[in-house]
Amino acid sequence: QSLLTQPPSVSGAPGQRVTISCTGSSSNIGASYDVHWYQQFPGTAPKLLIYGDNNRPSGVPDRFSGSKSGTSASLAITGLQAEDEADYYCQSFDNSLSGYVIFGGGTQLTVL
Amino acid sequence: QVQLQQWGAGPLKPSETLSLTCAIHGGSLGDGGSSAYYWSWIRQPPGKGLEWIGEIDYSGRTRYKSSLISRVTMSIDMSQKQFSLRLNSVTAADTAFYYCARYECGTGRCYFDSWGQGTLVTVSS
Repeated sequence: QSLLTQPPSVSGAPGQRVTISCTGSSSNIGASYDVHWYQQFPGTAPKLLIYGDNNRPSGVPDRFSGSKSGTSASLAITGLQAEDEADYYCQSFDNSLSGYVIFGGGTQLTVL
Repeated sequence: QVQLQQWGAGPLKPSETLSLTCAIHGGSLGDGGSSAYYWSWIRQPPGKGLEWIGEIDYSGRTRYKSSLISRVTMSIDMSQKQFSLRLNSVTAADTAFYYCARYECGTGRCYFDSWGQGTLVTVSS
């Protein structure tokens, strides 16, 4: 079981806005540790999409944004495009004995 | 821009040892400068999510996931700019894509900014 919980799947039509949630606890997100997001296409390695809750690496479109509040974080994608169809993972740090670097279970985004 | 290239032997039979190596091209090992780097291994069973295995820094200091600590060994060769993963006594549950990755820590934040291409390791009798 992942210490970070994500919905298994989300979907949206082109042009729409979708959000992907990442729910943690007081030993990770709630302890103010950063949340990062990765995008993964089938058969390829994950790629950093958002770091430090809401920062985009160079080259990532501003359609992607992150936010965090309490024990949860969210990834928002506006102006959805077909090329955004991928798996998305949140990642943080956990200070309990159960983990160190932790990932969410992943969310598959389908563009309708 | 750092690039990571990984390789390793497979497939494996149960009880054998998984061995993977990752070469670091175009970057420092983190033995100086404003950022610290932790050279990491992450795995992903086919069709499933990502699992952090552990990390090693330029000095050879390691941290491993608690559930794997008895079977994992990581090493680093500064002269060759390579780091390695060994996982012994493998079972079918260890079947996964294995990725090497750089965990960059700077200005108080740490994240995986570079990844290897991934290696599928299959364990089957």
